[in-house]
Amino acid sequence: NAGVTQTPKFRILKIGQSMTLQCTQDMNHNYMYWYRQDPGMGLKLIYYSVGAGITDKGEVPNGYNVSRSTTEDFPLRLELAAPSQTSVYFCASSPGQTIYEQYFGPGTRLTVT
Amino acid sequence: DQQVKQNSPSLSVQEGRISILNCDYTNSMFDYFLWYKKYPAEGPTFLISISSIKDKNEDGRFTVFLNKSAKHLSLHIVPSQPGDSAVYFCAARSSNTGKLIFGQGTTLQVKP
Repeated sequence: NAGVTQTPKFRILKIGQSMTLQCTQDMNHNYMYWYRQDPGMGLKLIYYSVGAGITDKGEVPNGYNVSRSTTEDFPLRLELAAPSQTSVYFCASSPGQTIYEQYFGPGTRLTVT
Repeated sequence: DQQVKQNSPSLSVQEGRISILNCDYTNSMFDYFLWYKKYPAEGPTFLISISSIKDKNEDGRFTVFLNKSAKHLSLHIVPSQPGDSAVYFCAARSSNTGKLIFGQGTTLQVKP
């Protein structure tokens, strides 16, 4: 069981470029989440999904898009990268329903210059 | 509007002593609370949780206490070990949205 995997680990983008952060889980969890963590701050929810084909906005969705075509994958798309999107991005999954613990991937450190 | 606050950015304790990490919240709709531990360059890992209908939950060296009237929870680690040195996040689940709200984190250093 690999759990939650994320690629890439690190990335440097120029302003205006686009990229997709990949997230895959092998625990057959219905719920998946994308968070960002800025220095000295807690994790902020960007987008989440309660199952394949269903996504919804979190607290800070602007500048991002997601899709969920399979249970396993939940990619996060950044269009027109901005310096404010410099952050560490974490993907997480949970069984949902009455089990609230979320399992996190190792993170992607993104710098936009 | 910080609904979950960890007011101590850092804490340093001696190995073998007790570590107490604190967390305050403002939203009375929170029904479940969790603690996560994070090492550098890794994702957070789940540590321990507590339902709002309980006031204590224990798992080995880790105990979480919930004081609903004060809207305060704490994580006790006894005895503290150098391997416990990490950033600890508390999180609260909103019963009306189902989402987790995280505190800013407290960096714990356990000195040998």
